[in-house]
Amino acid sequence: GEDVEQSLFLSVREGDSSVINCTYTDSSSTYLYWYKQEPGAGLQLLTYIFSNMDMKQDQRLTVLLNKKDKHLSLRIADTQTGDSAIYFCAESKEGGSEKLVFGKGMKLTVNP
Amino acid sequence: DSGVTQTPKHLITATGQRVTLRCSPRSGDLSVYWYQQSLDQGLQFLIQYYNGEERAKGNILERFSAQQFPDLHSELNLSSLELGDSALYFCASSAGPQRTNEKLFFGSGTQLSVL
Repeated sequence: GEDVEQSLFLSVREGDSSVINCTYTDSSSTYLYWYKQEPGAGLQLLTYIFSNMDMKQDQRLTVLLNKKDKHLSLRIADTQTGDSAIYFCAESKEGGSEKLVFGKGMKLTVNP
Repeated sequence: DSGVTQTPKHLITATGQRVTLRCSPRSGDLSVYWYQQSLDQGLQFLIQYYNGEERAKGNILERFSAQQFPDLHSELNLSSLELGDSALYFCASSAGPQRTNEKLFFGSGTQLSVL
């Protein structure tokens, strides 16, 4: 079945790197996504990775995918207080958004 | 600002009542999605419409229904409300169905409290 698991909380100091982890169960997932939710706002797509890739870098964000272990991570370099938010991992099978299955989200707190 | 507008932002009602949540997608987007976010269930996909037609259905209760109008705005109707329906309801939009790297743009949600 489809299931996406995430840790619930992470606290880091400003300037440190943050690593947010996610595991998924559906080996047929084709796209894996990271979304960010700030307080009082909707979800914002941060980045995504196609399942045939191992890594994707986008400015301060690095996504690593271990398809064998069904493990996805998001590394945020030089974490800023503005990065404080809830981060959701999501998967889809067909590259289509209607099949997105989300994790429950991980709250990142960045302390000055 | 994602360009997706949801109204109202907050809604407080009583059990047994019926409410309607409204969503206006980004200009030019034809697909509208509804999601329910609660503490215990996380973010659950409810239903998707594309250009007025239902396209995909998720964990939507029979007491809930949705539609997309010719001007592409969508409404989610929740009836016979129960305490457990209290949640944050998100609308999202995208350009079209199941294209590669289809990106969803989310509204800021309607917080529903059933008392």
